[in-house]
Amino acid sequence: SQTIHQWPATLVQPVGSPLSLECTVEGTSNPNLYWYRQAAGRGLQLLFYSVGIGQISSEVPQNLSASRPQDRQFILSSKKLLLSDSGFYLCAWSVRSGDSPLHFGNGTRLTVT
Amino acid sequence: TQLLEQSPQFLSIQEGENLTVYCNSSSVFSSLQWYRQEPGEGPVLLVTVVTGGEVKKLKRLTFQFGDARKDSSLHITAAQPGDTGLYLCVGGSGGSNYKLTFGKGTLLTVNP
Repeated sequence: SQTIHQWPATLVQPVGSPLSLECTVEGTSNPNLYWYRQAAGRGLQLLFYSVGIGQISSEVPQNLSASRPQDRQFILSSKKLLLSDSGFYLCAWSVRSGDSPLHFGNGTRLTVT
Repeated sequence: TQLLEQSPQFLSIQEGENLTVYCNSSSVFSSLQWYRQEPGEGPVLLVTVVTGGEVKKLKRLTFQFGDARKDSSLHITAAQPGDTGLYLCVGGSGGSNYKLTFGKGTLLTVNP
């Protein structure tokens, strides 16, 4: 069966510090991978998606970047965090066909102080 | 830009009551997914509906896709505290997954 791991679960970082959130998927190959941000327990905003190694598409211009160094690894980074980067970050994967459902990790609660 | 409006945004009910959550749009979607999210966790898929007029049942939950594929509803019968969570509807456009449209969610609290 497929599993998705996301870490850390919570993170408190000062403004201006770097960020690295990691996500790995097991039990599937060539997945689509996604980073979402959720504000105040409401709707999700797509930040980045990837259809293959080294292929990253950004949906929203921001202080963040993403990388996919391996087929089942997706990393969200920032060189210098802003207060506005605080939020709940969710990694997800899907198969590459039609409107396939998303499978989410358990998220990272990021607080920038 | 496609939008999905969910209503109500918040709902607090007593155990045993029935409820309906609505998801509406002016756009046509090829599919509609419903997720439930519990605090501190990622959303979990409940159901996908793909055919206009389709009705799917998941125990006490009934999902319906509108005939024109522009709206959907979720009805819960005899709600239980375990139903508490954020319910999200997500519209698919039939192309790549990254074009999914998310509603803002309905936060349901079922009080014992």
